[in-house]
Amino acid sequence: AQSVTQLGSHVSVSEGALVLLRCNYSSSVPPYLFWYVQYPNQGLQLLLKYTSAATLVKGINGFEAEFKKSETSFHLTKPSAHMSDAAEYFCASNYGGSQGNLIFGKGTKLSVKP
Amino acid sequence: GAVVSQHPSWVICKSGTSVKIECRSLDFQATTMFWYRQFPKQSLMLMATSNEGSKATYEQGVEKDKFLINHASLTLSTLTVTSAHPEDSSFYICSALTGRTDTQYFGPGTRLTVL
Repeated sequence: AQSVTQLGSHVSVSEGALVLLRCNYSSSVPPYLFWYVQYPNQGLQLLLKYTSAATLVKGINGFEAEFKKSETSFHLTKPSAHMSDAAEYFCASNYGGSQGNLIFGKGTKLSVKP
Repeated sequence: GAVVSQHPSWVICKSGTSVKIECRSLDFQATTMFWYRQFPKQSLMLMATSNEGSKATYEQGVEKDKFLINHASLTLSTLTVTSAHPEDSSFYICSALTGRTDTQYFGPGTRLTVL
């Protein structure tokens, strides 16, 4: 079965440091890939999505992600962490080219230390 | 643009009662909406796919008679938890699919607590 794996359930960085959240997908056919952010007691907000166009995808709030087919990865990065980035981040994928039936990773909680 | 609202944001009810949760797409029409359930510190689990004007498609293991979904218009889907029990306590999140950008936009979620 297809799956999305997020390495590290909890990542802690200092303010101003690089943020790297890892996501790997399992599929022989490149799917659509997404990163969402969830703040406490809120729904999910779309950060960025990959839909087979450019492999480097820029999103909101300074985040970007690079699709690497050879590594089946779609890691999320931000050059300089801000306190407001502290949240839960979910990587998701859909298979078949449509937005339906998103498969989510288990999430990575990002903490930002002052 | 692409705002999805949910009402109520939180609800507490007694065991055995039914609770209705509304999901609205405020500035776009959504032929397809999704309902998810999220347990504490876990990921989202898709419960069902709701299509306007037709019956919802439930994921395996989700009781359709317990979680009634109605997608009455292009901007409104409702989830009714019937005869709620404490094990139904959870965070319920809906999303709406925009045909124009083929993107799911999520509501803020509803926290259900069944006593």
